[in-house]
Amino acid sequence: DGGITQSPKYLFRKEGQNVTLSCEQNLNHDAMYWYRQDPGQGLRLIYYSQIVNDFQKGDIAEGYSVSREKKESFPLTVTSAQKNPTAFYLCASSTRQGVQETQYFGPGTRLLVL
Amino acid sequence: RKEVEQDPGPFNVPEGATVAFNCTYSNSASQSFFWYRQDCRKEPKLLMSVYSSGNEDGRFTAQLNRASQYISLLIRDSKLSDSATYLCVVNLNTNAGKSTFGDGTTLTVKP
Repeated sequence: DGGITQSPKYLFRKEGQNVTLSCEQNLNHDAMYWYRQDPGQGLRLIYYSQIVNDFQKGDIAEGYSVSREKKESFPLTVTSAQKNPTAFYLCASSTRQGVQETQYFGPGTRLLVL
Repeated sequence: RKEVEQDPGPFNVPEGATVAFNCTYSNSASQSFFWYRQDCRKEPKLLMSVYSSGNEDGRFTAQLNRASQYISLLIRDSKLSDSATYLCVVNLNTNAGKSTFGDGTTLTVKP
């Protein structure tokens, strides 16, 4: 089955703790993305990567870090510097056909602060 | 002003109704456009791309008006299962490959 997997489904963070969210894709997509969604809100871009070993900050990168050591994997670390991390985190990957770049999403991880 | 704006709704319609959503975008250089559907507490899923000539997929019709910088989604013969939030997505198609998402329009179809 081709697709995007995210784990865990739910994650609890204690104050001052760093946590890492996993995102894996077997679609052979070059580009991968991390978004944050708060209740009743749209998606906001945290980080994105167009190619292995390269990534760029999105609109709300503060308090987050990423790595892209393999094409299939794009983990997101929520650091203790992120003061309001409770949200729904969505990973996506994309493929380009002509001028159309279409994103496909994983099932998401819900992060809650204890 | 947001780059992509949608009427948040909610739209409450009876089964069988026709409902239309609009989405406006501010960057005239935008190149590709999409509608995604998001069910409660789930990930967004691609509903359809939007082409300049307009396109139809069963009960769903999407249209693009570049001059006025808006896209629309028309749902005919609404089903209960159409209840969801519909997200408008706009992409500049630069090397950055970033997409901008609207906040979504919530549709509830009632029996």
